[in-house]
Amino acid sequence: DIQMTQSPSSLSASVGDRLTITCQLSQDISVYLNWYQHKDGQAPKLLIHDASNLETGVPSRFSGSGSGTDFTFTITSLQPEDVATYYCQQYNNLPFTFGPGTKVNLK
Amino acid sequence: QVTLKESGPALVKPTQTLTLTCTFSGFSLNTEGMRVTWIRQPPGKALEWLARIDWDGDKFYSTSLKTRLTISRDTSKNQVVLTMANMDPVDTATYYCARMRDKWDFRDSWGQGTQVTVSS
Repeated sequence: DIQMTQSPSSLSASVGDRLTITCQLSQDISVYLNWYQHKDGQAPKLLIHDASNLETGVPSRFSGSGSGTDFTFTITSLQPEDVATYYCQQYNNLPFTFGPGTKVNLK
Repeated sequence: QVTLKESGPALVKPTQTLTLTCTFSGFSLNTEGMRVTWIRQPPGKALEWLARIDWDGDKFYSTSLKTRLTISRDTSKNQVVLTMANMDPVDTATYYCARMRDKWDFRDSWGQGTQVTVSS
């Protein structure tokens, strides 16, 4: 199975801050990576697919980049509603796997 | 409109078998390219991919749980069933079914999840 790591595991930032999360994989997955936002009590929401493509309706402050084994997720200007846990998820090799998550809080 | 909804017991005892049903609408598992996946999240822990069943009947399982999981479908009822044998308190989690975006399916839709507690 593909192993995934995310850094950091948690972070606290202020409204308006730029924040970056990294996702590293044990095997090359080309660009087959999703980024999900998960808020307590809700279903996860897909923000980015194919590593860098924004889902329809997702604010442009969210972005993703990378290929192969190293990926980055960025929020350019953190908003209060962005408090959530963010997960990367690969869909190149079955079984598909999720990263361990990054919890984002407000300072 | 694609919707999915999970149902099943809220409480199971250790060693029992859990049976969860995902009832979906807006697509058919008889249609090429359609897939339904089960995912879970234990309290305070990460999302975990569990199993998937495809339109052609192919089934795929988490490596660590495959000896305990069985996924099946009833296409006439638009349902996917997941069973997990030999339940343990560590299996306490919210269980989701979803149609997940991948290389071939460009739709991503999740149910709201169903909470399962394992306790005697």
